Amino acid sequence: DTGVSQDPRHKITKRGQNVTFRCDPISEHNRLYWYRQTLGQGPEFLTYFQNEAQLEKSRLLSDRFSAERPKGSFSTLEIQRTEQGDSAMYLCASSLVGGSEQFFGPGTRLTVL
Amino acid sequence: ELKVEQNPLFLSMQEGKNYTIYCNYSTTSDRLYWYRQDPGKSLESLFVLLSNGAVKQEGRLMASLDTKARLSTLHITAAVHDLSATYFCAVDIWSGTYKYIFGTGTRLKVLA
Repeated sequence: DTGVSQDPRHKITKRGQNVTFRCDPISEHNRLYWYRQTLGQGPEFLTYFQNEAQLEKSRLLSDRFSAERPKGSFSTLEIQRTEQGDSAMYLCASSLVGGSEQFFGPGTRLTVL
Repeated sequence: ELKVEQNPLFLSMQEGKNYTIYCNYSTTSDRLYWYRQDPGKSLESLFVLLSNGAVKQEGRLMASLDTKARLSTLHITAAVHDLSATYFCAVDIWSGTYKYIFGTGTRLKVLA
């Protein structure tokens, strides 16, 4: 399967714990995006990488959130000191170049108790 | 502030009927995407519309784009139960980088 993959698919954690999600983009894609989708809403842009450089962060991305893409391949999204409001589906997408179609992964559903 | 609005937000329709979902956006863009999302699942790409006047059809769904009116439509012909899902439009905008701004979503329920 050469699509975008995400791990884990589901994560349940207690408030205050740290969590980390991983995204593996399509191999030749140099752009990688993170979105967050809360129940009943459309996905919202969080951040974006071109190769290993993080080029934009949404104001939605508080200082408890950090994302990396260390070698320009897979990416991780870490949430520190999770809050119940962090409960959402976290979607990763990749694209070949800017302005081209983004391909989405299956998502990681986070539940913070 | 950039807005992408869909209407209706909820749509309940009988099998065999036709209906149109509308996606309005407030900034210049000539790239618009339609996605389907089933409950608890990720986004499935339906249509890629890359220019003014673009029209794409797949099965009972047809999408069009009018960049001058900043409007896209998703038309459903002779709906069947399997089309029940939430449909999102996404506008690809440039604001220093390219990113998608998603619409509010239209939750479609097709009744047998």
